[in-house]
Formats: sequence, C-alpha cells, structure tokens
Amino acid sequence: AQTVTQSQPEMSVQEAETVTLSCTYDTSENNYYLFWYKQPPSRQMILVIRQEAYKQQNATENRFSVNFQKAAKSFSLKISDSQLGDTAMYFCAFMNRAGGTSYGKLTFGQGTILTVHP
Amino acid sequence: SAVISQKPSRDICQRGTSLTIQCQVDSQVTMMFWYRQQPGQSLTLIATANQGSEATYESGFVIDKFPISRPNLTFSTLTVSNMSPEDSSIYLCSVVGTGGAWTEAFFGQGTRLTVV
Repeated sequence: AQTVTQSQPEMSVQEAETVTLSCTYDTSENNYYLFWYKQPPSRQMILVIRQEAYKQQNATENRFSVNFQKAAKSFSLKISDSQLGDTAMYFCAFMNRAGGTSYGKLTFGQGTILTVHP
Repeated sequence: SAVISQKPSRDICQRGTSLTIQCQVDSQVTMMFWYRQQPGQSLTLIATANQGSEATYESGFVIDKFPISRPNLTFSTLTVSNMSPEDSSIYLCSVVGTGGAWTEAFFGQGTRLTVV
C-alpha cells in the first residue's frame, strides 16, 4: 500500500512571490504517477501538474513546477509569481501505473491550504 | 479529457434516510471511482465501479452502506444508506483518462451532503 504525506497543513504567500509545497510518499512500486491537484472553494478538483516516475526531468506547467526526487520519495510543488486565484487546497496524489486492481486508484495526501495575500 | 456531470451538487438530508448520487461521463470508461471527503480532510476511496460486475470496496466501506450501480460504461450511482450525521461529507466520482503516454484522473463537481 502507498502512503502520501503533506506536512504543511497551511501555507501563505504574498502575491507575486514564490511558494513551495512539500509532499513525500512511500511505495514499493517502481512505475507510478504523481499529481498535484488544486481544490478551490467550488470543490472542483483541478489537475495542476503530473509527473511520471520513469521520467527524470521535472515537470513544469507555466508557473508551476515540481522537484521530483525519486530516491528520496519526495515530490514538492513550486508556484512562482503567485496569484490570488491560486488560493485553494492543494493535494499531492499517487497512482500506480501498473495494471490490475490498483490501477486508477489515487492515494491522496492530507492537503495543504494555500492562501495568497494581496 | 473527460467531462463528468455529478448531481445533486448538494443536499441536506434527515438521518435514517438514503441519498443517491449520480455520475455521468461524456465518454465510455471501464472503471469509475467514488471518493469521500470528510470536512476539512483529504479524499478517501470508497469503491471502484466496473461495468458488468460488482463494485470493489475499500477497507472500511461496505456494500450495505454504500451500494453502487454501474449499468453502462458512462454512468454510475452511489447511494448513501441509512444516513447519520457522520456521513456528512463531499462525495466525488472520478474516472481515469489516458491519452498517448499520459494519464490523468478527472473528477465530478462533488456532492456536498449534510445529514441533520
């Protein structure tokens, strides 16, 4: 079984500044996906960024980038030039890439509430 | 990508009653997933719904409490039975979409359930 840990219940950042959200995970699998999802007050889960474990290059999506350290089982999210619309709960999530009964199931971290201040 | 329509978006129910949540996907998918998000908490998988077979429940969740239907490849329902205030949560359905080398989980808008 996998576990995902987010050790920062809440974070805050000033608009236009940079913030990093931490995530560690534990798994015996070698082939998997890692995701960061954003959940604003609307409750809609929005994919922020994804990383495939077999890729060494860190994923980037505009202002969002990750620092993926496979050996350390660490997957942090960096948000640059923070905007007021980034205020939300952020979840780190793990998905086993292998087929079988575990495919498609997401294991989530506890979440980090990010507040961007003007 | 996949677009998921989930309803109702919210409901307030009396204890002891049942609520059925519907999830409609705009494309055919093999597996659909149901998650529960208790207030201020993370998402926990309830069960996996496969078309043509019984749903597979995670530890701590049972079919009598959360019966699931999956009549076809685009639709599923989750029923929360004999509700108590502890069932007050957000319930979300999800599907996994793949496109070439990538995989992503898509979610419905969630159903906010309050049991009084």
